[in-house]
Amino acid sequence: QKEVEQDPGPLSVPEGAIVSLNCTYSNSAFQYFMWYRQYSRKGPELLMYTYSSGNKEDGRFTAQVDKSSKYISLFIRDSQPSDSATYLCAMKTSYDKVIFGPGTSLSVIP
Amino acid sequence: DAEITQSPRHKITETGRQVTLACHQTWNHNNMFWYRQDLGHGLRLIHYSYGVQDTNKGEVSDGYSVSRSNTEDLPLTLESAASSQTSVYFCASSFTSGGAYEQFFGPGTRLTVL
Repeated sequence: QKEVEQDPGPLSVPEGAIVSLNCTYSNSAFQYFMWYRQYSRKGPELLMYTYSSGNKEDGRFTAQVDKSSKYISLFIRDSQPSDSATYLCAMKTSYDKVIFGPGTSLSVIP
Repeated sequence: DAEITQSPRHKITETGRQVTLACHQTWNHNNMFWYRQDLGHGLRLIHYSYGVQDTNKGEVSDGYSVSRSNTEDLPLTLESAASSQTSVYFCASSFTSGGAYEQFFGPGTRLTVL
């Protein structure tokens, strides 16, 4: 079992839809949870960061962490064509390196 | 503005040749990382460094080496390129060594080994 699992997609949604992206993990010591966005032929960029459990909202984006279920989610409201990208979840313990999920490819169709 | 750059952006080489990929950051970050990205595998850590003269192996380090002689640069060398090393390579840097931190990624180098 991989430490971090993520459905690779591709996921295709119409413009304006609510998008839900998810990751599961196996290491209960993970405390820091991140979402990176990667546009085609570019490097990943940090989109959201959450420490421990709970929700964090930033504009149209909401990150959720459920440590009891070892499950994290990224929600995108009112999705736009400019949201079309690959979304990578990432997580780490307080002392170790970042572990990335394989990424989910998202296309938002106008 | 601070940035992280990689060169070359594209490289085609032959099996058995030595190849060096450059990474240069102007963030003055102490941590630097090399990843490879392949379909179905996501980002896999090759080598990383927490400071000058410090280097460490990641999960897929076989066939790769790095050296850190200054804060700004972490070149990645493929000692004898193999077709299995065809991939997109990303360099990243970050400031803190513990706790949560943001990694800043370069634009990537697309390497093809024939």
